[in-house]
Amino acid sequence: DAGVIQSPRHEVTEMGQEVTLRCKLISGHNSLFWYRQTMMRGLELLIYFNNNVPIDDSGMPEDRFSAKMPNASFSTLKIQPSEPRDSAVYFCASRFSGNTIYFGEGSWLTVV
Amino acid sequence: DQQVKQNSPSLSVQEGRISILNCDYTNSMFDYFLWYKKYPAEGPTFLISISSIKDKNEDGRFTVFLNKSAKHLSLHIVPSQPGDSAVYFCAAIDQGGSEKLVFGKGTKLTVNP
Repeated sequence: DAGVIQSPRHEVTEMGQEVTLRCKLISGHNSLFWYRQTMMRGLELLIYFNNNVPIDDSGMPEDRFSAKMPNASFSTLKIQPSEPRDSAVYFCASRFSGNTIYFGEGSWLTVV
Repeated sequence: DQQVKQNSPSLSVQEGRISILNCDYTNSMFDYFLWYKKYPAEGPTFLISISSIKDKNEDGRFTVFLNKSAKHLSLHIVPSQPGDSAVYFCAAIDQGGSEKLVFGKGTKLTVNP
């Protein structure tokens, strides 16, 4: 079974550049979550979607961050322009029903 | 501001002994709790969960205890094994409210051979 697939696994970019992180959900799942992990704040929920519709984006840090779900199986998280404080591990997770969510392996972002 | 707190950033135990990881929460609306385990360079994976209608749930070497009056839960691992060394995240959800899983900051468990 294919799990949640994230790309790129690692990205190093210069401050001011646009970053796009990608996520493919587990087949049949209909909820999508973007989390960010940092030492200071742990795992923070940025945004989540149900059936392609954004439900809660209150965790998105600022307007530089945007997320889309153009179809039922795919999502992007974009940072434009990127800043060094955006350096973190970004996790995508999906869910079909119940409370358990399934995480991808993460995208490690470094902004220099 | 943190609704789910794991106050111990790290824990070290000997192989074969019990590991006890603790978690406190502040939101009384939380009614379902989960533990996730995370190895380096991997995503968190689901370990065990408990509903607020129960006070204990057991799965092999892993047991989660819930004390609703104290807003406290704990994960017990008996016996601990070196392969259990990982970061453990506690998470909570208000099933009747938002669908968001709220996570603690994690506790890094090291099991020494």
